Amino acid sequence: EPEVTQTPSHQVTQMGQEVILRCVPISNHLYFYWYRQILGQKVEFLVSFYNNEISEKSEIFDDQFSVERPDGSNFTLKIRSTKLEDSAMYFCASRGRTSGSNEQFFGPGTRLTVL
Amino acid sequence: AQSVTQPDIHITVSEGASLELRCNYSYGATPYLFWYVQSPGQGLQLLLKYFSGDTLVQGIKGFEAEFKRSQSSFNLRKPSVHWSDAAEYFCAVTPRGGNQFYFGTGTSLTVIP
Repeated sequence: EPEVTQTPSHQVTQMGQEVILRCVPISNHLYFYWYRQILGQKVEFLVSFYNNEISEKSEIFDDQFSVERPDGSNFTLKIRSTKLEDSAMYFCASRGRTSGSNEQFFGPGTRLTVL
Repeated sequence: AQSVTQPDIHITVSEGASLELRCNYSYGATPYLFWYVQSPGQGLQLLLKYFSGDTLVQGIKGFEAEFKRSQSSFNLRKPSVHWSDAAEYFCAVTPRGGNQFYFGTGTSLTVIP
């Protein structure tokens, strides 16, 4: 069964450094998402991406964040200058065009630790 | 604004006992409804989902959930809990025609022998 994959599973970085979190969505999906979950809190929406552009973003997704689909398979989230409060689990999700239920398929997550 | 409420932060049940996890949502129209389970350090696994039709939906691992429009609820149930069910459970909704998912704060389930 096709699944969303994410790399790395755990990323440790120093405050102020740039990080890129990578996701490979399900191959025929067209809608892509990033969510984050701060430890002990709920999962929060960051951004959605369709047709090579951001379709919706939350207040969390400020100028420090960017997303890109550099090729036909990867979907990346970049944090330009990480802060301590960016430490969280980041989930990628994807959805197919024919998914009338809006069902999104989630990856296993990348745990980002900012020191 | 959409909101999802899971009133129970933590529930402890004995193995073999029944389980009900509560979820209420606030939205003008009936959204699509989901339950996910998250084991420690793991990702989100879909348990079940409701789109339309029969209000009682069956999921994986013996879970079921009932949609009650009058109560704006989508409670998760399992008749007999196993120790391996210990995890964090998240209710989520997405509006029909909408884009993002809205998650509840989660319910942590502990199963005691």
